[in-house]
Amino acid sequence: GAVVSQHPSRVICKSGTSVKIECRSLDFQATTMFWYRQFPKQSLMLMATSNEGSKATYEQGVEKDKFLINHASLTLSTLTVTSAHPEDSSFYICSARSAIGSVAGGKNIQYFGAGTRLSVL
Amino acid sequence: LAKTTQPISMDSYEGQEVNITCSHNNIATNDYITWYQQFPSQGPRFIIQGYKTKVTNEVASLFIPADRKSSTLSLPRVSLSDTAVYYCPIGNEKLTFGTGTRLTIIP
Repeated sequence: GAVVSQHPSRVICKSGTSVKIECRSLDFQATTMFWYRQFPKQSLMLMATSNEGSKATYEQGVEKDKFLINHASLTLSTLTVTSAHPEDSSFYICSARSAIGSVAGGKNIQYFGAGTRLSVL
Repeated sequence: LAKTTQPISMDSYEGQEVNITCSHNNIATNDYITWYQQFPSQGPRFIIQGYKTKVTNEVASLFIPADRKSSTLSLPRVSLSDTAVYYCPIGNEKLTFGTGTRLTIIP
């Protein structure tokens, strides 16, 4: 399947600082990437859709000024958690859509990064 | 976005075949069915995708009835390393993840 790299895998920061997470598609180009958040023992929640060359589309309840998304190239999307607070501590996961591995005539598949564990003290 | 319903948890012994069923009553015509496996502190890993009937790859089979309101992931001869959470998100562009099924393989 397609490979999506996410960095860093873990970050610990003080309250009030900003944290940037990178998501790269390594062997394919992705015009669309997605950002999810997952709290312990819970499912993935879609935060936003990142579109190359245009503004991201945020899900209801997600603050766009707090979670800044930039998709400057076909292989890179970044999520910046601005002025992070302890309640922002979570597991953040990105994905990118690719036709690799899809059935004939099927939909592009979302391939996920390994995730970033953010802990805000 | 279509919602899905799965059993919260399942247990199985090593070497057995495991079938996990997902209900998606309001699946749209252009939605495909995709199954993912997630280990703790990792991103979901793609397992298999289908639209209708049966799809098989090197790790699993996916059975989808004609009405497409449900799907069953079949894992042949499971091992301890198959202990994970399994999701069946439905969608066209965006995916909605349900609660998933926590599968525990017993030695």
